Amino acid sequence: GAVVSQHPSRVICKSGTSVKIECRSLDFQATTMFWYRQFPKQSLMLMATSNEGSKATYEQGVEKDKFLINHASLTLSTLTVTSAHPEDSSFYICSARASLVDGSMKETQYFGPGTRLLVL
Amino acid sequence: GQNIDQPTEMTATEGAIVQINCTYQTSGFNGLFWYQQHAGEAPTFLSYNVLDGLEEKGRFSSFLSRSKGYSYLLLKELQMKDSASYLCAAMDSNYQLIWGAGTKLIIKP
Repeated sequence: GAVVSQHPSRVICKSGTSVKIECRSLDFQATTMFWYRQFPKQSLMLMATSNEGSKATYEQGVEKDKFLINHASLTLSTLTVTSAHPEDSSFYICSARASLVDGSMKETQYFGPGTRLLVL
Repeated sequence: GQNIDQPTEMTATEGAIVQINCTYQTSGFNGLFWYQQHAGEAPTFLSYNVLDGLEEKGRFSSFLSRSKGYSYLLLKELQMKDSASYLCAAMDSNYQLIWGAGTKLIIKP
């Protein structure tokens, strides 16, 4: 099946630094990737939707200058948390939507394993 | 390797009961999650099991057997709004989530 990877799996950084998280679709092309934030035992909160080659669409309340998203290719999207603060500590999950064209369109969303960010 | 299996699609009748199964193989285990996802929306948390047994929460119940690497989500008194995809995800020893591909549940009147 389709695989989505994230790197790094966990990161600890000092307050004020920037952290980049990569999301890759390993065996399919993803025209759309989603970035979520998860708090313990809670629903995934959609932060932004990124389409390859265009600007990301951010959800209400998510600062686009703080959470920079780049979807440079059909297999890679990056989330950069700029000037990270302790309240940014969380579990960040990406997902990629595969569009399979085989006579008809079939869209499935595949989730990455998550990146655990701890800001000290 | 790590793997999660769940059926691709299930169909059930309004008012009935449906059980969605999930089997997993992970390196270590730190719990199993069930999420509901309606088309175009973010996944909604339903349950988290880390100990064997059944946990009931209203119309939804989730069961876990760690020795068998098996979980199920039981939905009772099905309503049309329960039509959605149900995602099973296991957390491994590194606290990484291993996701199933999701089960699309179709509810018929």
